[in-house]
Amino acid sequence: DIQMTQSPSTLSASVGDRVTITCRASQSISRWLAWYQQKPGKAPKLLISKASTLESGVPSRFSGSGSGTEFTLTISSLQPDDFATYSCQQYHSYSYTFGQGTKLEIK
Amino acid sequence: QVQLQESGPGLVKPSQTLSLTCTVSGGSINRGGYYWGWIRQQPGKGLEWIGYINYGGDTYYNPSLESRPTISRDTSKNQFFLNLNSVTAADTAVYYCAKRNPVGGYFEHWGQGTLVIASS
Repeated sequence: DIQMTQSPSTLSASVGDRVTITCRASQSISRWLAWYQQKPGKAPKLLISKASTLESGVPSRFSGSGSGTEFTLTISSLQPDDFATYSCQQYHSYSYTFGQGTKLEIK
Repeated sequence: QVQLQESGPGLVKPSQTLSLTCTVSGGSINRGGYYWGWIRQQPGKGLEWIGYINYGGDTYYNPSLESRPTISRDTSKNQFFLNLNSVTAADTAVYYCAKRNPVGGYFEHWGQGTLVIASS
């Protein structure tokens, strides 16, 4: 299996901050990476596919980049609604795997 | 807009089989190109892909689950199912059904999730 490792596990930030979450793959996955946002008690919501393609309706303050083994999710100016857990998922291998998640907390 | 809803027992005894149903609305599960999956999230852990069934009825599973899951469907009811046999406490999780993108292996639409506790 391809292992996905996110850092940090927890991130404390304030409204208006720019934050970056990193996702690393144990082997190259080209750009076959998705990002999800999950709030407590809710299902994950797809934000980004193919490393950098923003899903319809997702605010432009979210962006994704990277290829190969290292990827980032950036939120340019945090809004109150953005405090949630973010997870990456690789789909290079048909045995899909997710990162452990990054919890974004209010500082 | 496709919508998915999980249903099934919230409690299953160890060694028994966990059985869940996903009811789909807003799209036919046997429409060409559609893939339907199960994902779970154990308490305090990340998401884990269990498997999926495609529009033709072909199935694919996470090898780490060692042949325990079976995914099937009833196209007349627009439902697909998860059976997970020989459950242990480690199978306690929130189980989600989801629709996979036709081209890429990411999940575009998710059910709300259902908590299953494996305990005697």
